[in-house]
Amino acid sequence: DAGVIQSPRHEVTEMGQEVTLRCKPISGHNSLFWYRQTMMRGLELLIYFNNNVPIDDSGMPEDRFSAKMPNASFSTLKIQPSEPRDSAVYFCASNIPGGTDTQYFGPGTRLTVL
Amino acid sequence: SQQGEEDPQALSIQEGENATMNCSYKTSINNLQWYRQNSGRGLVHLILIRSNEREKHSGRLRVTLDTSKKSSSLLITASRAADTASYFCATDSSGNTPLVFGKGTRLSVIA
Repeated sequence: DAGVIQSPRHEVTEMGQEVTLRCKPISGHNSLFWYRQTMMRGLELLIYFNNNVPIDDSGMPEDRFSAKMPNASFSTLKIQPSEPRDSAVYFCASNIPGGTDTQYFGPGTRLTVL
Repeated sequence: SQQGEEDPQALSIQEGENATMNCSYKTSINNLQWYRQNSGRGLVHLILIRSNEREKHSGRLRVTLDTSKKSSSLLITASRAADTASYFCATDSSGNTPLVFGKGTRLSVIA
């Protein structure tokens, strides 16, 4: 199995631009998680899905952030418009049960907003 | 909100020494997990200990859990330079809730 796949690995954009991060979970995993990691705040859970349905988006910082999971093998995290404070590493993770036991992380997308 | 808090924030040791990292948490848990993150990479699961377990081993890793003190420790024996990474604890409170991660301990093993 290729593991969790994220793209792009690096993204540099200018303030105000739309950013779309992509994630392909491990086949057969029916829970998907989006995290943001910064030095100041550590690893924060933004949103998670069970069976493609958003369960908890209380970690999404603002309305500028949105996430979708149109099918079991694909999810996007969109920031529109982006701001410099959104600069961080964004991780996607997946697992089999809903929110428990081992999570498998992707390599992350390093986002820099200028 | 942060559930687990690792201590120390950073640890530097010589190769061959043992490294001990601690994690404290606030609410009751189903299980506690330890993850490792190499620089520029995603987190990788190391070991899981359930609330009814007190100690668990995996290779050079030893994890203890004290639910009365709401704390856990991760011991890496005979450390190697390749163990240099950040180590995170993550707790699963109950039922269908997601993991909550601490801020991690940065371990440097000097050859």
